[in-house]
Amino acid sequence: GAVVSQHPSWVICKSGTSVKIECRSLDFQATTMFWYRQFPKQSLMLMATSNEGSKATYEQGVEKDKFLINHASLTLSTLTVTSAHPEDSSFYICSASEMGLYNEQFFGPGTRLTVL
Amino acid sequence: GIQVEQSPPDLILQEGANSTLRCNFSDSVNNLQWFHQNPWGQLINLFYIPSGTKQNGRLSATTVATERYSLLYISSSQTTDSGVYFCAPDSGGYQKVTFGTGTKLQVIP
Repeated sequence: GAVVSQHPSWVICKSGTSVKIECRSLDFQATTMFWYRQFPKQSLMLMATSNEGSKATYEQGVEKDKFLINHASLTLSTLTVTSAHPEDSSFYICSASEMGLYNEQFFGPGTRLTVL
Repeated sequence: GIQVEQSPPDLILQEGANSTLRCNFSDSVNNLQWFHQNPWGQLINLFYIPSGTKQNGRLSATTVATERYSLLYISSSQTTDSGVYFCAPDSGGYQKVTFGTGTKLQVIP
């Protein structure tokens, strides 16, 4: 099956610093990647859709200046949490799908961010 | 946007028991996926099932798109089946999906 990796798996940072999370599709080309956020005991909430070579599309209520997304190649998307604050602490998960409509999404293992 | 409700929210099973998880959605869909989120947070693809029935080992799923629901059957449950099960139909946009509320399953020996 398709494999998606995420790095780092966990990160602890001080308030005010920026954190970059990488999402890679290892054995397929991902024209579209998605970034989700999950709070404890809750479902996944879509933050943004990332298409290779174009600007990300953010969901309503997601600050695009705080959560910078770059999809520079068909196998890599990055999420940068800028000037992180404790309320940004969460579990961030990426997914990727191959070219085409309504394709199956495959998920990375997630990144647990703790902001002190 | 599409509303996705799953039931039951919590389920405790004795090892070896069978169960049915339900996913109701408010709009017509073009695809629907079922996932198992393990205790470490990893989402594992179970089924891609926009309609009809599929089986994979002890698991099977049925989607009745015209009636806006999908079912996940787990037979002969094992402790490794514990975790949260999510359904995620597409939400009308290009490849976007909306996750349901989830069913937390605990299988006890």
